[in-house]
Amino acid sequence: EAGVAQSPRYKIIEKRQSVAFWCNPISGHATLYWYQQILGQGPKLLIQFQNNGVVDDSQLPKDRFSAERLKGVDSTLKIQPAKLEDSAVYLCASSVGQFDTQYFGPGTRLTVL
Amino acid sequence: AQSVTQLDSQVPVFEEAPVELRCNYSSSVSVYLFWYVQYPNQGLQLLLKYLSGSTLVKGINGFEAEFNKSQTSFHLRKPSVHISDTAEYFCAVAHRDDKIIFGKGTRLHILP
Repeated sequence: EAGVAQSPRYKIIEKRQSVAFWCNPISGHATLYWYQQILGQGPKLLIQFQNNGVVDDSQLPKDRFSAERLKGVDSTLKIQPAKLEDSAVYLCASSVGQFDTQYFGPGTRLTVL
Repeated sequence: AQSVTQLDSQVPVFEEAPVELRCNYSSSVSVYLFWYVQYPNQGLQLLLKYLSGSTLVKGINGFEAEFNKSQTSFHLRKPSVHISDTAEYFCAVAHRDDKIIFGKGTRLHILP
């Protein structure tokens, strides 16, 4: 069974630029999560989708971050414009349903200069 | 609001010695509890979880954790560690109908 795929693996941008991350969850997983993991901290949930609907986006900085999950399969997370404090690893995870085991992708390491 | 505290940022342990990684949570209602592990240069993966039932939960790689409601704790234990257990361990808590919250992590160093 293929795991959660993410791209790119690394991205370096300057502040005020835009960036987008892509995630393809495990086939058949209805729930998809985007996390931000800042160095030295645990993952922080940014947004959770159930199929293509948003379940929780209370911690998503909506003035600069956006995410979509078209057709309830893969998803994109965008940052526009980026700030220095957005430097982090962005993790995508998927699960069959909420509170089922989450399977994580390898993450995208973003550096904002 | 719920929160989770991992009391130790780093834990050094000699190989073949026992280890306990501590996790406390704040909640007045029923919770779901998880331990995830992140091996060097790998993604997070689930070690074990408590949803209901027996308070002693067994996971992969010989780890287990005990849910203690009165002490609001969910400490992770292993009777004998191996060098391959070197990793960062994250405790997480969730309520029904609420998002999962991760702790800051505990880095386990296995000493030869």
